[in-house]
Amino acid sequence: SAVISQKPSRDICQRGTSLTIQCQVDSQVTMMFWYRQQPGQSLTLIATANQGSEATYESGFVIDKFPISRPNLTFSTLTVSNMSPEDSSIYLCSVAGGAGGTYNEQFFGPGTRLTVL
Amino acid sequence: KNQVEQSPQSLIILEGKNCTLQCNYTVSPFSNLRWYKQDTGRGPVSLTIMTFSENTKSNGRYTATLDADTKQSSLHITASQLSDSASYICVVSAAPGGSYIPTFGRGTSLIVHP
Repeated sequence: SAVISQKPSRDICQRGTSLTIQCQVDSQVTMMFWYRQQPGQSLTLIATANQGSEATYESGFVIDKFPISRPNLTFSTLTVSNMSPEDSSIYLCSVAGGAGGTYNEQFFGPGTRLTVL
Repeated sequence: KNQVEQSPQSLIILEGKNCTLQCNYTVSPFSNLRWYKQDTGRGPVSLTIMTFSENTKSNGRYTATLDADTKQSSLHITASQLSDSASYICVVSAAPGGSYIPTFGRGTSLIVHP
């Protein structure tokens, strides 16, 4: 299985500011995803992070608000820009398709708990 | 439209009792179904993965079943423990040719009381 770490684990931010969340995997993976989980809700996919090209965003999410980078097969960042209280949520990094693994297996990081005041 | 429906939304049981969580899906073409456990404030952790040809899979006290004909799955927890208190999420993925992006259920919140 893949071991995923996220930084920061939590943060409290002021509205109008931006926060960049880092996701590091202990092995090379084919696919990396960013999810949002609002209180009491299930996971909502924000985007698929593509190595060396622009991320693929889901409906309702745009690059200007959630810029994503993926410089290699083990690392990605998600930035939450110009934050408002509605952005308060848990942000989760997820990976699939690692060496020796299959796309059936999807692993999640521990999440970043963001509170916007 | 691909959908995953879970029931009940929440469940409270006494320690030591068994319980069964349900998952119905309309994802097509079907590839696999996964059950995750998510502790409060943590990321989801995989419990079981089942493909089309598998109709039951166990992981300790957790047993998942799959009926691909009726598009239903269940997660049975035996002899519940306080540490089983968590959200249980059913996730269904489509086969190649369909969208790889998995469809998540809303989860069942389980509370185990002493």
